[in-house]
Amino acid sequence: DAKTTQPTSMDCAEGRAANLPCNHSTISGNEYVYWYRQIHSQGPQYIIHGLKNNETNEMASLIITEDRKSSTLILPHATLRDTAVYYCIVLIAGAGSYQLTFGKGTKLSVIP
Amino acid sequence: NAGVMQNPRHLVRRRGQEARLRCSPMKGHSHVYWYRQLPEEGLKFMVYLQKENIIDESGMPKERFSAEFPKEGPSILRIQQVVRGDSAAYFCASSPGTTRGETQYFGPGTRLLVL
Repeated sequence: DAKTTQPTSMDCAEGRAANLPCNHSTISGNEYVYWYRQIHSQGPQYIIHGLKNNETNEMASLIITEDRKSSTLILPHATLRDTAVYYCIVLIAGAGSYQLTFGKGTKLSVIP
Repeated sequence: NAGVMQNPRHLVRRRGQEARLRCSPMKGHSHVYWYRQLPEEGLKFMVYLQKENIIDESGMPKERFSAEFPKEGPSILRIQQVVRGDSAAYFCASSPGTTRGETQYFGPGTRLLVL
């Protein structure tokens, strides 16, 4: 199973872009990169996912390096409500099971 | 379109009692996943179910814990003879069940406190 490495914490000024890195050097070719966040013990919220190409939706952008060994989640204009723990997850897919393995994530603090 | 619903949101039980946690998936979703989050830790996968079928229960404790997803009604996570170590937040997620590697959407969780 591919493991991910994220910084423990980051700060970002309100209104600026938040760039959250993730290393997943052992990712295999058919594993997706997923990002979720958890705001103060609420249920995890899906943000975005990708396989090879960069992805963008209304919440964020996901940049995956060409070798797929790392990725960056970009929140273009961070607000105070984006303060949360962000989880980078490589999806373990096999035999009909899709376990999401949550590590410690990155605690993002958006500063006024 | 209602999201994943869980009830109760908070549950207090004394040691030895039973806890029943319910999860109603999003409309149109036929796959349900249960996760547990112990205090100050990340979520840990417990079980993956489809209607009337347990697909993967590799994360379930061997004793006292069971899960079901009947043809009609919500998915139930049942904990018998609860102990203090069962105190945690239990989250349910659902997915459509139509494609590989599909997104899971989480409910608000049930916080179980065992006295």
